[in-house]
Amino acid sequence: DQQVKQNSPSLSVQEGRISILNCDYTNSMFDYFLWYKKYPAEGPTFLISISSIKDKNEDGRFTVFLNKSAKHLSLHIVPSQPGDSAVYFCAATDGGGADGLTFGKGTHLIIQP
Amino acid sequence: DSGVTQTPKHLITATGQRVTLRCSPRSGDLSVYWYQQSLDQGLQFLIQYYNGEERAKGNILERFSAQQFPDLHSELNLSSLELGDSALYFCASSLLGRPSYNEQFFGPGTRLTVL
Repeated sequence: DQQVKQNSPSLSVQEGRISILNCDYTNSMFDYFLWYKKYPAEGPTFLISISSIKDKNEDGRFTVFLNKSAKHLSLHIVPSQPGDSAVYFCAATDGGGADGLTFGKGTHLIIQP
Repeated sequence: DSGVTQTPKHLITATGQRVTLRCSPRSGDLSVYWYQQSLDQGLQFLIQYYNGEERAKGNILERFSAQQFPDLHSELNLSSLELGDSALYFCASSLLGRPSYNEQFFGPGTRLTVL
């Protein structure tokens, strides 16, 4: 049973436009959410996170939105740049359990020039 | 560079064999996590150690075991290897014992191929 789902395996966006990556979760105990970015032959790199007590967190070009009632979060990248082409993973955890991160299967973002 | 190192980078072995993967966490980090990334399952949490003690277990098989040493480096031991164990194995580290509010930093991974 997949508790974190990224339903789009890939997404193509033009350079300069907004990229929106989506993530859904089923476990209502999750209280902290993270986005990681991964280039080929490298480990995932932390991008941005959000606690369940917030509905938005912003860091430069990256903004994460959390809709708890819909169990949905999204990552917005504005403006998209060629270096943003990578696989993006959504991850979640329930802080009390300290069980490691539960990851989605990733979305491959391709920024077109 | 995340500061987390993993060795070896690649490992090719045969079914039935045993291998050891090694991880050195970022300086100052007390917690080490192991993840497996296979083609069909994505990134799966295996096990966590905090300051030398096992802290949490995920989808780790009984054939697999791990430990964290006094210098905080960790080893993941995989035995009686099967073809399906072929995957990327990532180590991550964080300062505290709980992943919540405490980002994990990932190493570059070890690619294991079982023939």
